[in-house]
Amino acid sequence: GAGVSQSPSNKVTEKGKDVELRCDPISGHTALYWYRQSLGQGLEFLIYFQGNSAPDKSGLPSDRFSAERTGGSVSTLTIQRTQQEDSAVYLCASSSNRDTQYFGPGTRLTVL
Amino acid sequence: DAKTTQPPSMDCAEGRAANLPCNHSTISGNEYVYWYRQIHSQGPQYIIHGLKNNETNEMASLIITEDRKSSTLILPHATLRDTAVYYCIVRVEYGNKLVFGAGTILRVKS
Repeated sequence: GAGVSQSPSNKVTEKGKDVELRCDPISGHTALYWYRQSLGQGLEFLIYFQGNSAPDKSGLPSDRFSAERTGGSVSTLTIQRTQQEDSAVYLCASSSNRDTQYFGPGTRLTVL
Repeated sequence: DAKTTQPPSMDCAEGRAANLPCNHSTISGNEYVYWYRQIHSQGPQYIIHGLKNNETNEMASLIITEDRKSSTLILPHATLRDTAVYYCIVRVEYGNKLVFGAGTILRVKS
């Protein structure tokens, strides 16, 4: 079956611009997670959605980062006024009832 | 979630078994051991998880010691495509985020 998909696969933007990254979770998965991985670093948790509950935003690094999940399915991670330190691979994962998480291929963001 | 300790890197000959150790001495009774791997430029891939019994699937086997303070991931016949960073993560089964450490870089050599 179809796995988690993310778009775009690569995004190059200029410092100060806003970007939107999209995640399509596995159909029927109620939980969705965003992580980021800077070059040579481990994965860093950003935000977590579970059903209709309030999201866990504890990992968002600043108020320039936000995410929403519409209709309990697709999620969009938005970074406003991008900075060079935002350059990373942004990974999305989904799970059924917070069980095993399955990851997408990621979006590589480069801020010039 | 409990912390884990893994060797930074390991080498394995192609066709041989790869045994990747993980220490999790502070694991709690309701915490599972999860293994993921990340091949270069790809998202992490789920491998296997277990609570206290040994587990086996089409990818690997997971051996957990009786006291649950350590575990070993076994790839029975490693191939070049198994070269990746392997992450051992301890987590309650229905928890939220995964906490990734540095993992073990496994290099499978011909």
